[in-house]
Amino acid sequence: IQLTQSPSSLSASVGDRVNITCRASQGVGRFLAWYQQKPGQAPKLLIYLASTLQTGVPSRFSGSGSGTDFTLTVSSLQPEDFATYYCQQINTFPITFGQGTRLEIK
Amino acid sequence: EVQLVESGGGLVQPGGSLRLSCAASGFTFSDHFMDWVRQAPGKGLEWVARIRNKANRYSTEYAASVRDRFVVSRDDLQNSVYLQMNSLKTEDTAVYFCSRDGTKYQFDYWGQGTLVTVSS
Repeated sequence: IQLTQSPSSLSASVGDRVNITCRASQGVGRFLAWYQQKPGQAPKLLIYLASTLQTGVPSRFSGSGSGTDFTLTVSSLQPEDFATYYCQQINTFPITFGQGTRLEIK
Repeated sequence: EVQLVESGGGLVQPGGSLRLSCAASGFTFSDHFMDWVRQAPGKGLEWVARIRNKANRYSTEYAASVRDRFVVSRDDLQNSVYLQMNSLKTEDTAVYFCSRDGTKYQFDYWGQGTLVTVSS
């Protein structure tokens, strides 16, 4: 299953609301997760089962969607949110990741 | 506190072998599926392999790119998961992360990664 994220890169300002979309080449139900990765660090789980917020993740992060179309929303960007974001499907093997969305400061 | 610590990375020639280890602590290791994910320099994340728990007969899954060359295993007494990598290719150069599979279809904890460089 191919996951296509859009945009591939995004410039935004602190306080902005941003949406990152992830489209699957076939349905994955709600078995989709979102991760944040900063340079030199391991990925960090943000959202699983499409919309469940991982413990300890700020509530400004939210996820939605099912089937083939998913969205990660950050309601009000904070300085620490500038990073690369990946979606991942765990519905079907092989497990696959999107190509990533780089979120940069405008 | 959940911790995953990878080791065993390094420089290896094409065609060579390497064994990565991931030591787990802070949780009941034997209950969880474990995965390996890699990231080539400047690239995105690529899932590599999974090993399930005893209840699921330690069954395994592999990415097509590594099947027949890599073997994932675990030792529940040592709280460790391993990745034996054989017939290494230059395109296997990457940081290799181990991760814990949570109980709800998510990779909820990750190690810091270990760098494998395949070069002559």
